[in-house]
Amino acid sequence: DVKVTQSSRYLVKRTGEKVFLECVQDMDHENMFWYRQDPGLGLRLIYFSYDVKMKEKGDIPEGYSVSREKKERFSLILESASTNQTSMYLCASSLQSREAFFGQGTRLTVV
Amino acid sequence: LAKTTQPISMDSYEGQEVNITCSHNNIATNDYITWYQQFPSQGPRFIIQGYKTKVTNEVASLFIPADRKSSTLSLPRVSLSDTAVYYCLVGPTYSSASKIIFGSGTRLSIRP
Repeated sequence: DVKVTQSSRYLVKRTGEKVFLECVQDMDHENMFWYRQDPGLGLRLIYFSYDVKMKEKGDIPEGYSVSREKKERFSLILESASTNQTSMYLCASSLQSREAFFGQGTRLTVV
Repeated sequence: LAKTTQPISMDSYEGQEVNITCSHNNIATNDYITWYQQFPSQGPRFIIQGYKTKVTNEVASLFIPADRKSSTLSLPRVSLSDTAVYYCLVGPTYSSASKIIFGSGTRLSIRP
Protein backbone atom coordinates (compact mmCIF):
# COMPACT_ATOMS: atom_id res chain seq x y z
CA ASP A 1 0.00 0.00 0.00
CA VAL A 2 1.39 3.38 -1.00
CA LYS A 3 2.26 5.72 1.78
CA VAL A 4 3.04 9.39 2.25
CA THR A 5 3.69 10.22 5.88
CA GLN A 6 3.82 13.67 7.39
CA SER A 7 5.68 14.00 10.66
CA SER A 8 2.94 15.73 12.64
CA ARG A 9 -0.84 15.86 12.46
CA TYR A 10 -1.13 18.97 14.61
CA LEU A 11 1.52 21.55 15.44
CA VAL A 12 1.48 24.77 17.48
CA LYS A 13 4.42 27.15 17.11
CA ARG A 14 5.22 30.68 18.22
CA THR A 15 5.68 33.66 15.93
CA GLY A 16 9.29 33.93 14.79
CA GLU A 17 10.14 30.27 15.33
CA LYS A 18 11.79 28.23 12.61
CA VAL A 19 9.44 25.39 11.75
CA PHE A 20 10.21 22.14 9.95
CA LEU A 21 7.48 20.03 8.36
CA GLU A 22 8.70 16.64 7.24
CA CYS A 23 7.27 14.35 4.60
CA VAL A 24 8.38 10.85 3.68
CA GLN A 25 7.17 8.64 0.83
CA ASP A 26 7.90 4.97 0.29
CA MET A 27 7.05 4.69 -3.41
CA ASP A 28 10.36 5.81 -4.96
CA HIS A 29 8.51 8.72 -6.60
CA GLU A 30 10.48 11.40 -8.38
CA ASN A 31 8.11 14.26 -7.69
CA MET A 32 7.13 15.63 -4.31
CA PHE A 33 4.94 18.62 -3.51
CA TRP A 34 4.00 20.89 -0.65
CA TYR A 35 0.61 22.60 -0.62
CA ARG A 36 -1.26 24.71 1.85
CA GLN A 37 -5.02 24.75 2.07
CA ASP A 38 -7.09 27.51 3.58
CA PRO A 39 -10.88 27.84 3.69
CA GLY A 40 -12.20 29.24 0.45
CA LEU A 41 -8.79 29.22 -1.26
CA GLY A 42 -8.40 25.59 -2.27
CA LEU A 43 -4.98 23.94 -2.47
CA ARG A 44 -2.12 26.25 -3.34
CA LEU A 45 1.25 24.92 -4.40
CA ILE A 46 4.15 26.21 -2.31
CA TYR A 47 7.09 24.27 -3.75
CA PHE A 48 7.70 21.11 -5.66
CA SER A 49 10.73 18.94 -6.23
CA TYR A 50 11.32 16.71 -9.25
CA ASP A 51 14.55 15.11 -8.06
CA VAL A 52 16.99 15.11 -5.17
CA LYS A 53 18.27 18.64 -4.55
CA MET A 54 16.03 19.97 -7.34
CA LYS A 55 13.15 22.29 -6.57
CA GLU A 56 10.83 24.77 -8.19
CA LYS A 57 8.70 27.49 -6.72
CA GLY A 58 4.97 27.08 -6.76
CA ASP A 59 2.38 29.84 -6.57
CA ILE A 60 3.09 31.01 -3.00
CA PRO A 61 6.75 30.35 -2.05
CA GLU A 62 7.28 33.52 -0.01
CA GLY A 63 8.20 32.80 3.59
CA TYR A 64 8.99 29.16 2.85
CA SER A 65 11.95 27.09 1.77
CA VAL A 66 12.36 23.39 1.08
CA SER A 67 14.98 20.69 1.28
CA ARG A 68 15.25 17.40 -0.56
CA GLU A 69 18.48 15.65 0.37
CA LYS A 70 17.09 12.15 -0.18
CA LYS A 71 14.56 10.96 -2.72
CA GLU A 72 12.07 9.78 -0.13
CA ARG A 73 12.07 12.90 2.06
CA PHE A 74 10.86 16.42 1.33
CA SER A 75 10.96 19.05 4.05
CA LEU A 76 9.13 22.35 4.19
CA ILE A 77 10.77 25.06 6.27
CA LEU A 78 9.14 28.17 7.64
CA GLU A 79 12.14 30.40 8.27
CA SER A 80 10.32 32.68 10.72
CA ALA A 81 6.78 31.58 11.36
CA SER A 82 4.04 34.19 11.20
CA THR A 83 0.38 34.03 12.11
CA ASN A 84 -0.64 34.22 8.44
CA GLN A 85 1.09 30.87 7.94
CA THR A 86 -1.49 29.18 10.14
CA SER A 87 -2.95 26.63 7.75
CA MET A 88 -3.33 22.99 6.75
CA TYR A 89 -0.19 21.78 4.99
CA LEU A 90 -0.38 18.84 2.63
CA CYS A 91 2.49 16.88 1.16
CA ALA A 92 2.13 14.73 -1.96
CA SER A 93 4.28 12.57 -4.19
CA SER A 94 3.85 11.29 -7.73
CA LEU A 95 5.63 9.29 -10.37
CA GLN A 96 6.31 11.88 -13.07
CA SER A 97 3.02 13.81 -13.06
CA ARG A 98 0.62 10.92 -12.81
CA GLU A 99 -1.59 10.13 -9.84
CA ALA A 100 -0.52 12.12 -6.79
CA PHE A 101 -0.65 10.50 -3.36
CA PHE A 102 -1.23 12.76 -0.39
CA GLY A 103 -0.25 12.59 3.25
CA GLN A 104 -2.75 13.07 6.06
CA GLY A 105 -1.92 16.75 6.42
CA THR A 106 -0.40 18.89 9.18
CA ARG A 107 -2.58 21.49 10.78
CA LEU A 108 -0.17 24.22 11.85
CA THR A 109 -1.18 26.99 14.22
CA VAL A 110 1.18 29.92 14.72
CA VAL A 111 0.45 31.94 17.85
CA LEU B 1 -0.77 24.61 -17.64
CA ALA B 2 -4.30 24.81 -18.99
CA LYS B 3 -6.78 26.73 -16.86
CA THR B 4 -9.88 24.83 -15.76
CA THR B 5 -13.35 26.10 -14.92
CA GLN B 6 -15.89 24.06 -12.98
CA PRO B 7 -19.02 24.90 -10.98
CA ILE B 8 -18.39 26.11 -7.44
CA SER B 9 -21.04 23.84 -5.96
CA MET B 10 -23.68 21.24 -6.82
CA ASP B 11 -26.44 19.51 -4.91
CA SER B 12 -28.02 16.15 -5.55
CA TYR B 13 -29.85 13.32 -3.82
CA GLU B 14 -28.90 9.79 -2.91
CA GLY B 15 -29.32 7.32 -5.74
CA GLN B 16 -29.02 9.95 -8.48
CA GLU B 17 -26.35 10.13 -11.16
CA VAL B 18 -24.22 13.24 -10.81
CA ASN B 19 -22.33 14.83 -13.68
CA ILE B 20 -19.71 17.50 -13.01
CA THR B 21 -18.40 19.31 -16.07
CA CYS B 22 -15.03 21.00 -16.35
CA SER B 23 -14.00 23.43 -19.10
CA HIS B 24 -10.39 23.53 -20.30
CA ASN B 25 -10.35 25.47 -23.56
CA ASN B 26 -6.55 25.76 -23.70
CA ILE B 27 -5.76 22.09 -23.24
CA ALA B 28 -2.52 21.08 -24.94
CA THR B 29 -1.91 18.04 -27.12
CA ASN B 30 0.03 16.16 -24.44
CA ASP B 31 -2.29 17.08 -21.55
CA TYR B 32 -4.31 14.54 -19.64
CA ILE B 33 -7.43 15.23 -17.58
CA THR B 34 -7.41 14.07 -13.98
CA TRP B 35 -10.06 14.23 -11.27
CA TYR B 36 -9.51 14.13 -7.51
CA GLN B 37 -11.91 13.89 -4.58
CA GLN B 38 -11.30 15.51 -1.21
CA PHE B 39 -13.11 14.93 2.07
CA PRO B 40 -12.81 17.43 4.94
CA SER B 41 -9.50 17.29 6.84
CA GLN B 42 -8.00 14.83 4.35
CA GLY B 43 -5.73 15.14 1.34
CA PRO B 44 -7.20 14.76 -2.14
CA ARG B 45 -7.59 11.27 -3.55
CA PHE B 46 -7.18 10.36 -7.21
CA ILE B 47 -10.43 9.25 -8.86
CA ILE B 48 -9.87 8.91 -12.59
CA GLN B 49 -7.70 10.07 -15.46
CA GLY B 50 -8.19 10.15 -19.22
CA TYR B 51 -6.99 11.54 -22.51
CA LYS B 52 -9.95 11.14 -24.85
CA THR B 53 -13.36 9.48 -25.33
CA LYS B 54 -14.47 7.55 -22.24
CA VAL B 55 -12.75 6.04 -19.25
CA THR B 56 -14.54 4.01 -16.59
CA ASN B 57 -13.41 2.51 -13.32
CA GLU B 58 -15.16 1.15 -10.26
CA VAL B 59 -15.80 4.63 -8.90
CA ALA B 60 -16.65 6.90 -11.82
CA SER B 61 -16.71 7.51 -15.55
CA LEU B 62 -14.95 10.28 -17.41
CA PHE B 63 -16.34 11.54 -20.71
CA ILE B 64 -14.12 13.61 -23.00
CA PRO B 65 -15.46 14.95 -26.32
CA ALA B 66 -13.38 14.90 -29.47
CA ASP B 67 -12.21 18.53 -29.14
CA ARG B 68 -11.10 17.84 -25.52
CA LYS B 69 -12.06 21.36 -24.45
CA SER B 70 -14.25 20.00 -21.68
CA SER B 71 -14.74 16.84 -19.67
CA THR B 72 -17.48 15.39 -17.51
CA LEU B 73 -17.02 13.34 -14.38
CA SER B 74 -19.99 11.04 -13.87
CA LEU B 75 -20.75 9.49 -10.49
CA PRO B 76 -23.40 6.79 -10.73
CA ARG B 77 -25.98 6.39 -7.96
CA VAL B 78 -24.37 8.70 -5.42
CA SER B 79 -24.62 8.19 -1.68
CA LEU B 80 -24.13 10.53 1.27
CA SER B 81 -20.49 9.48 1.42
CA ASP B 82 -19.88 11.07 -1.99
CA THR B 83 -20.27 14.51 -0.40
CA ALA B 84 -16.86 16.05 -1.05
CA VAL B 85 -14.96 18.57 -3.14
CA TYR B 86 -14.08 17.40 -6.66
CA TYR B 87 -11.13 18.87 -8.55
CA CYS B 88 -10.50 18.79 -12.27
CA LEU B 89 -6.84 19.09 -13.31
CA VAL B 90 -5.27 19.31 -16.73
CA GLY B 91 -1.59 18.80 -17.43
CA PRO B 92 1.09 16.61 -18.98
CA THR B 93 1.13 13.31 -17.19
CA TYR B 94 4.11 11.43 -18.52
CA SER B 95 6.44 14.28 -17.85
CA SER B 96 8.90 14.85 -15.07
CA ALA B 97 9.39 18.26 -13.54
CA SER B 98 5.76 19.17 -14.06
CA LYS B 99 3.67 20.84 -11.41
CA ILE B 100 0.29 19.56 -10.27
CA ILE B 101 -1.96 22.59 -9.83
CA PHE B 102 -5.39 22.42 -8.23
CA GLY B 103 -8.20 24.85 -8.99
CA SER B 104 -11.06 25.77 -6.69
CA GLY B 105 -12.99 22.54 -7.19
CA THR B 106 -16.71 21.74 -7.05
CA ARG B 107 -18.31 21.23 -3.67
CA LEU B 108 -20.81 18.39 -4.10
CA SER B 109 -23.48 17.96 -1.44
CA ILE B 110 -25.61 14.82 -1.42
CA ARG B 111 -28.88 14.84 0.47
CA PRO B 112 -30.95 11.88 1.72
